[in-house]
Amino acid sequence: ELKVEQNPLFLSMQEGKNYTIYCNYSTTSDRLYWYRQDPGKSLESLFVLLSNGAVKQEGRLMASLDTKARLSTLHITAAVHDLSATYFCAVDGGDSGGGADGLTFGKGTHLIIQP
Amino acid sequence: GAGVSQSPSNKVTEKGKDVELRCDPISGHTALYWYRQSLGQGLEFLIYFQGNSAPDKSGLPSDRFSAERTGGSVSTLTIQRTQQEDSAVYLCASSLWGSRNYGYTFGSGTRLTVV
Repeated sequence: ELKVEQNPLFLSMQEGKNYTIYCNYSTTSDRLYWYRQDPGKSLESLFVLLSNGAVKQEGRLMASLDTKARLSTLHITAAVHDLSATYFCAVDGGDSGGGADGLTFGKGTHLIIQP
Repeated sequence: GAGVSQSPSNKVTEKGKDVELRCDPISGHTALYWYRQSLGQGLEFLIYFQGNSAPDKSGLPSDRFSAERTGGSVSTLTIQRTQQEDSAVYLCASSLWGSRNYGYTFGSGTRLTVV
């Protein structure tokens, strides 16, 4: 059974600081996704990481994937209040084509950025 | 449509009643997924549809849950004899088949409350 663990689950930080969210998963996969969720809202796709060593950046967020270590990181640079949200990583661990097994999500990291 | 559309956005029902939740995927997206998000269980994959193919129902929580997809487009998730533990947000997502590389687009969800 595929397991996805995120840490920390809760993070309070000050504006301007840097921090990293970690996502570990238990089986071989080369497809990892990061989503953002604001309170009462749906999931917004942030990054799709498709291969070992993949790195993607959007604004103050940067995500990376190490498939050998089964680890992805989401790094926040010079945090601003608008980045406050819950961040989820999700792994597509299915062997069958087309994503038939769906995504397995981590529990999410609730991020609060204080002025 | 422009995005994944779900209805109703909120549903309050009495224990024991049946409910139907609807998902209208992005036009052209052949793959459709249902997920459930609850405080206790996080995000859980429920079921996947590829076009008109019969889905794998093994992810559904109980035999009170069923889902169908008509004409390879709109899907309904039906919960019979609702129980309080069914209270959750039910999210639908769609993607291009074979294009997990481009991620999944989620709808805004249906918040189900069983009283």
